[in-house]
Amino acid sequence: DGGITQSPKYLFRKEGQNVTLSCEQNLNHDAMYWYRQDPGQGLRLIYYSQIVNDFQKGDIAEGYSVSREKKESFPLTVTSAQKNPTAFYLCASSNFALQETQYFGPGTRLLVL
Amino acid sequence: AQKVTQAQTEISVVEKEDVTLDCVYETRDTTYYLFWYKQPPSGELVFLIRRNSFDEQNEISGRYSWNFQKSTSSFNFTITASQVVDSAVYFCARQTGANNLFFGTGTRLTVIP
Repeated sequence: DGGITQSPKYLFRKEGQNVTLSCEQNLNHDAMYWYRQDPGQGLRLIYYSQIVNDFQKGDIAEGYSVSREKKESFPLTVTSAQKNPTAFYLCASSNFALQETQYFGPGTRLLVL
Repeated sequence: AQKVTQAQTEISVVEKEDVTLDCVYETRDTTYYLFWYKQPPSGELVFLIRRNSFDEQNEISGRYSWNFQKSTSSFNFTITASQVVDSAVYFCARQTGANNLFFGTGTRLTVIP
């Protein structure tokens, strides 16, 4: 089945620790995205990548880092510089053509211990 | 700012009632796309519809229908004969030329059996 997988489903972070969220897609999509969702709010864009080895900051990139070494994978690292990391993180992908539909993964819930 | 506003934070209806979710957007673009996504309790965002700014035809898909009015910058979503499985948070979003999605804050719909 084609789709987007995210792991883990739940992740716990200790103070000062970096953690990495996984996102993999087998839809052969060029573009991938990371969003953050806080309770009662819409999604906000963290980073996006339109092609392998290239990515751009979204609206709330501070405290996060990404890589795009493979077309299928777009991992997100939440660094210790992110002071309020508790949130629900959603990964999405789309074709590169202009304004194509983004399809979302099941999400990772990050909690700080 | 080019916002997407979903003024209804929460709506409750009794099963089989019709319900309309409102969405008002701001944009300076002449070409843009509008979306509706459903977020069930599991958390994953499910794509419902994508609408081009040049296409103001209303669309119906089963019990779902969408009313796009460019003159009032609105893209409202109606569920006819609601069912318990329709209970979810619904997000309206607008897409920019860079493929980025700007989301509203969502409307939580509860359908009471």
